[in-house]
Amino acid sequence: TQLLEQSPQFLSIQEGENLTVYCNSSSVFSSLQWYRQEPGEGPVLLVTVVTGGEVKKLKRLTFQFGDARKDSSLHITAAQPGDTGLYLCAGASMGGTSYGKLTFGQGTILTVHP
Amino acid sequence: GAVVSQHPSWVICKSGTSVKIECRSLDFQATTMFWYRQFPKQSLMLMATSNEGSKATYEQGVEKDKFLINHASLTLSTLTVTSAHPEDSSFYICSASADWWGVSTEAFFGQGTRLTVV
Repeated sequence: TQLLEQSPQFLSIQEGENLTVYCNSSSVFSSLQWYRQEPGEGPVLLVTVVTGGEVKKLKRLTFQFGDARKDSSLHITAAQPGDTGLYLCAGASMGGTSYGKLTFGQGTILTVHP
Repeated sequence: GAVVSQHPSWVICKSGTSVKIECRSLDFQATTMFWYRQFPKQSLMLMATSNEGSKATYEQGVEKDKFLINHASLTLSTLTVTSAHPEDSSFYICSASADWWGVSTEAFFGQGTRLTVV
């Protein structure tokens, strides 16, 4: 069974601060996705990282995929209240027939105070 | 991106009744659909994987007779919660992916269904 350990589970910060969320696993994933979810809605994909060592930037968000494709991080610079939400990392299985099957981390509830 | 529509968005039902939730891929053919359950402020827990035309594969601990999954076409999967009880109240989310020449697409998520059993 593949597991993704996501930390921290809760993060409460002031507007303008920086933060990093981590996802770690002992398993190798073919790709790793980061999602943001608002209450009562489905997860919305932020980014997919595929190549070991890959770094992707999305405005104030920076995503890294570990060289061994077992871990990833999400860094937010100068957080804003609009960044508040549940952030989820999810790893896609390698091979097999269940395409698109994802293993989710526990999630990080981020609250950014004005 | 591709669109996955889930219906209904929310439903309230009486204890003992059954509820059906639909998941449709609107602009692509979904080879595989996944059903998740999510409790408040927690992550998504995979319940089952359904492939068109075959029986669903359930995760350990998920009751097959309780959560009936049907994937009769490449654009529609349904989850029926049978004889619902208050402990079945939760947020249910589906996702869909396509298989193109052995390469999977990313999973596209529906907007979720809030089930409340009273």
